[in-house]
Amino acid sequence: DVKVTQSSRYLVKRTGEKVFLECVQDMDHENMFWYRQDPGLGLRLIYFSYDVKMKEKGDIPEGYSVSREKKERFSLILESASTNQTSMYLCASRLLRETGTDTQYFGPGTRLTVL
Amino acid sequence: DQQVKQNSPSLSVQEGRISILNCDYTNSMFDYFLWYKKYPAEGPTFLISISSIKDKNEDGRFTVFLNKSAKHLSLHIVPSQPGDSAVYFCAASARGKRDDKIIFGKGTRLHILP
Repeated sequence: DVKVTQSSRYLVKRTGEKVFLECVQDMDHENMFWYRQDPGLGLRLIYFSYDVKMKEKGDIPEGYSVSREKKERFSLILESASTNQTSMYLCASRLLRETGTDTQYFGPGTRLTVL
Repeated sequence: DQQVKQNSPSLSVQEGRISILNCDYTNSMFDYFLWYKKYPAEGPTFLISISSIKDKNEDGRFTVFLNKSAKHLSLHIVPSQPGDSAVYFCAASARGKRDDKIIFGKGTRLHILP
């Protein structure tokens, strides 16, 4: 079974703090993703990576950065947390196939509150 | 511009009846479609998928129908059970591209009524 783990389930930070959200997958997947989920807005893609040291902006990258130094680990960084970054953050990984199942596996999520 | 649209934010269905969740897409390059289910405070879990070469895929109580000409897919749950109450996300991708991503709809919250 694919396992995607996130470093924290719940996190409370103060405005202006630097926040690191870590994600690890154990299935040697090439692609990894960070989303945030907010009521009425669905899943919005922040950043994704299709290889080590590669990153691509998603739909809402402002205020975030990412790091992928190893294939299994994808980190999301909030350089200076703001209250509008209070959200549920979801990490996912994906094995890229040209045929057959193409499924993205999600971690359990981190509920971040910025005060 | 939303490439994957779920126009119903919520849906209520009586237990035992059929739940039908709808999804429309605009990008004709999409060739693979997925449904995910999400409970509160958990990550989404994969439910069922369909390739564009098929028009139907069935897995137990869940069936996904694809109408390529209408760029429309639907998820049928029969019979609906209380544990089906969740948010359902429709998603689409164009497989095989290294830097491609799966595009998600905004979700439909399904309430199964007793």
